[in-house]
Amino acid sequence: GAGVSQTPSNKVTEKGKYVELRCDPISGHTALYWYRQSLGQGPEFLIYFQGTGAADDSGLPNDRFFAVRPEGSVSTLKIQRTERGDSAVYLCASSLTGSEGYEQYFGPGTRLTVT
Amino acid sequence: AQSVAQPEDQVNVAEGNPLTVKCTYSVSGNPYLFWYVQYPNRGLQFLLKYITGDNLVKGSYGFEAEFNKSQTSFHLKKPSALVSDSALYFCAVRDDTGRRALTFGSGTRLQVQP
Repeated sequence: GAGVSQTPSNKVTEKGKYVELRCDPISGHTALYWYRQSLGQGPEFLIYFQGTGAADDSGLPNDRFFAVRPEGSVSTLKIQRTERGDSAVYLCASSLTGSEGYEQYFGPGTRLTVT
Repeated sequence: AQSVAQPEDQVNVAEGNPLTVKCTYSVSGNPYLFWYVQYPNRGLQFLLKYITGDNLVKGSYGFEAEFNKSQTSFHLKKPSALVSDSALYFCAVRDDTGRRALTFGSGTRLQVQP
């Protein structure tokens, strides 16, 4: 079946601009996650949605970052007033939820470059 | 706070030889442990996980991992490496308290030489 999809695959923007990154999870997965991966590092957690609500946003670095999932499926990560330090690959993942440790399935990522 | 250490930036092994990629973790409560592989310009692919039960878990592409609670380790292994196994490998952990965020290690690049 279809995996997690992310658009765009690449985004180049100027410092100070606003960007939106989109994630379409695997059908039936109620949990959705955003991570950020900088060059040479492992992914770092940003935010987790259970259904429509943000269950854990402790990884968002500051108030320039915001994410929504209004209908419990597609999610959008929004970054205001972008800075060069925001340049990274933004990964989205989805999973089933329940009492077990379900694995997260990752999309191909959006490479964001802030010039 | 939880953390993962992958002490080797790169592991080199000859094709056909066994491989081991090391991972140690720190977590409150019981760990849920995962291995992912990342090929160039592609997302992370799930390989295997340990949740509970048998300490030796088997996963995709012939990989396996051994959970060692006393050493807080979860090393990835394969009996016979293939050139196509060359990639970046990440170990990740979360605890069983309900917080679902994964904490990843910094990754280990596996290079399998023909």
